[in-house]
Amino acid sequence: DTGVSQDPRHKITKRGQNVTFRCDPISEHNRLYWYRQTLGQGPEFLTYFQNEAQLEKSRLLSDRFSAERPKGSFSTLEIQRTEQGDSAMYLCASSLLAANNEQFFGPGTRLTVL
Amino acid sequence: QKEVEQNSGPLSVPEGAIASLNCTYSDRGSQSFFWYRQYSGKSPELIMSIYSNGDKEDGRFTAQLNKASQYVSLLIRDSQPSDSATYLCAVKATSNTGKLIFGQGTTLQVKP
Repeated sequence: DTGVSQDPRHKITKRGQNVTFRCDPISEHNRLYWYRQTLGQGPEFLTYFQNEAQLEKSRLLSDRFSAERPKGSFSTLEIQRTEQGDSAMYLCASSLLAANNEQFFGPGTRLTVL
Repeated sequence: QKEVEQNSGPLSVPEGAIASLNCTYSDRGSQSFFWYRQYSGKSPELIMSIYSNGDKEDGRFTAQLNKASQYVSLLIRDSQPSDSATYLCAVKATSNTGKLIFGQGTTLQVKP
């Protein structure tokens, strides 16, 4: 399977705990994106990387959220001191560095904060 | 005003009919437009992209773009029950950003 992969697929945690998600993009893609989706809404942009550089962050991304892509390959998204409002599907996508910017999504990580 | 707007539906069509899904966007400088299909509990799947005014056809799908009126639409011909899903419209606003802005999606129900 050469698509985008995410791990874990499901995460249940208690409020106040830290969680970390991993995304492995399509191998030749140099752009990697994180989105968050809640029920009944479209995905909301969080941040994206071009190779290892984080180029843009949403205002939605509070200081409890941090993302890295240290070697320009896989990426991690960490949420510290989770809150119930963080419960959502966290989606990762990747694309080539090209004007058309077609983004392909992984299966997502569903986070439930109790 | 939301940046990308879609009617949440549900849009119900009989099997074999044409389903028409619409999307409007607020940023006149938007350059790239995408339609994603999302089945319940799954992640979005890219089905169409369109960048210039007019129609773009791919199998049973036709995307239409009108930049002057700031709308993009998706037509699904010969709708099948397997087309029942939520269809998300996504817009890439300007050339110096990679982010997509999504509408809330339109739920399509194709009834046998």
